Amino acid sequence: GAVVSQHPSWVICKSGTSVKIECRSLDFQATTMFWYRQFPKQSLMLMATSNEGSKATYEQGVEKDKFLINHASLTLSTLTVTSAHPEDSSFYICSAPRRGVTQYFGPGTRLLVL
Amino acid sequence: RKEVEQDPGPFNVPEGATVAFNCTYSNSASQSFFWYRQDCRKEPKLLMSVYSSGNEDGRFTAQLNRASQYISLLIRDSKLSDSATYLCVVPDSSYKLIFGSGTRLLVRP
Repeated sequence: GAVVSQHPSWVICKSGTSVKIECRSLDFQATTMFWYRQFPKQSLMLMATSNEGSKATYEQGVEKDKFLINHASLTLSTLTVTSAHPEDSSFYICSAPRRGVTQYFGPGTRLLVL
Repeated sequence: RKEVEQDPGPFNVPEGATVAFNCTYSNSASQSFFWYRQDCRKEPKLLMSVYSSGNEDGRFTAQLNRASQYISLLIRDSKLSDSATYLCVVPDSSYKLIFGSGTRLLVRP
């Protein structure tokens, strides 16, 4: 069964609005979670590392003020896309390591900004 | 040189064929390696982990060559349901996953 969940699975919003995506680890604690973005026909690109109880670490080129990450508990990390624009339309996926190095992915959130 | 490189394919094979994908990595200190499978519009799902020289699970065999820094994935007796993109993944020292660009496989009837 699933070990990482994401919500919502898809969202359509107007340009300028903010969208929050939740990532939950099921039945295990994750002090670290990862957020990725995937554009059509491309591989996953790591956006940031979410750290429970501290600030997220962003990859080069990812705006921390635009992609707000909060890891408030050991089972929940949220990604908020602020003032979304059409170019932010993408497939957003989170992952969490379980039992060491092996990471499990959430089912992803498909975002379409009109 | 990219940290993890794969042949993008696509590999177009008939049912029942054997197909092999290669992946090269640049960090000689890497200790663990993974093959994930990603279906269209879905999240990646773990297919195999490789920690030593190799791993076998049914029709799937992964082999690791540390000297040449490559990992291979062999699929025997291909099924239509094997059609997907196969991602070679190598974690870095901080557990970040470094992805290859993926190899597309299409198994035809």
